[in-house]
Amino acid sequence: KAGVTQTPRYLIKTRGQQVTLSCSPISGHRSVSWYQQTPGQGLQFLFEYFSETQRNKGNFPGRFSGRQFSNSRSEMNVSTLELGDSALYLCASRQGAEQYFGPGTRLTVT
Amino acid sequence: QKEVEQNSGPLSVPEGAIASLNCTYSDRGSQSFFWYRQYSGKSPELIMSIYSNGDKEDGRFTAQLNKASQYVSLLIRDSQPSDSATYLCAVNRNYGGSQGNLIFGKGTKLSVKP
Repeated sequence: KAGVTQTPRYLIKTRGQQVTLSCSPISGHRSVSWYQQTPGQGLQFLFEYFSETQRNKGNFPGRFSGRQFSNSRSEMNVSTLELGDSALYLCASRQGAEQYFGPGTRLTVT
Repeated sequence: QKEVEQNSGPLSVPEGAIASLNCTYSDRGSQSFFWYRQYSGKSPELIMSIYSNGDKEDGRFTAQLNKASQYVSLLIRDSQPSDSATYLCAVNRNYGGSQGNLIFGKGTKLSVKP
């Protein structure tokens, strides 16, 4: 089975712009979670989607949003980018309780 | 109190030794426990999951869970230089039936010296 794929892998944006990241889960997995990883805060949960519905949301501002499509692919959007949004954004595909991460999207905000 | 705590290390062990990584968690309602390995510049890779008290072995890895003490550990036997990475402990509280929210520790950096 193919693993979790994320696009793009690297992204450079300027403050105030918005960005959309994409994630395709492992075939047959219906749950997708998003995480932000920074050196200071570590890995933090953003939100989870299951069958196109947001099931859970972490403690992030409303500038962070997401959605899931009927084929389980998911996107996350960050509006009005801030320097502090520079991070590795990871998508995880879930089967049962186990989550499998994609390679991540490295976002740099200048 | 942090929800999931790990010693940041670095933990340095000689090749062939046993590496012992520890993790404590604060929420007694936690139900699922995981260890991920993350190489520098890469994404986390799931190496062990454990759900009930006791030991679970998989190859050179053994995960140990003690819910009464709110403690999870990972033992790596016959450590190899290729095991050098950051090991992340993750806990799932399964609130409202959602299993998609993992709480991570900051990770322990392991260095295995040849």
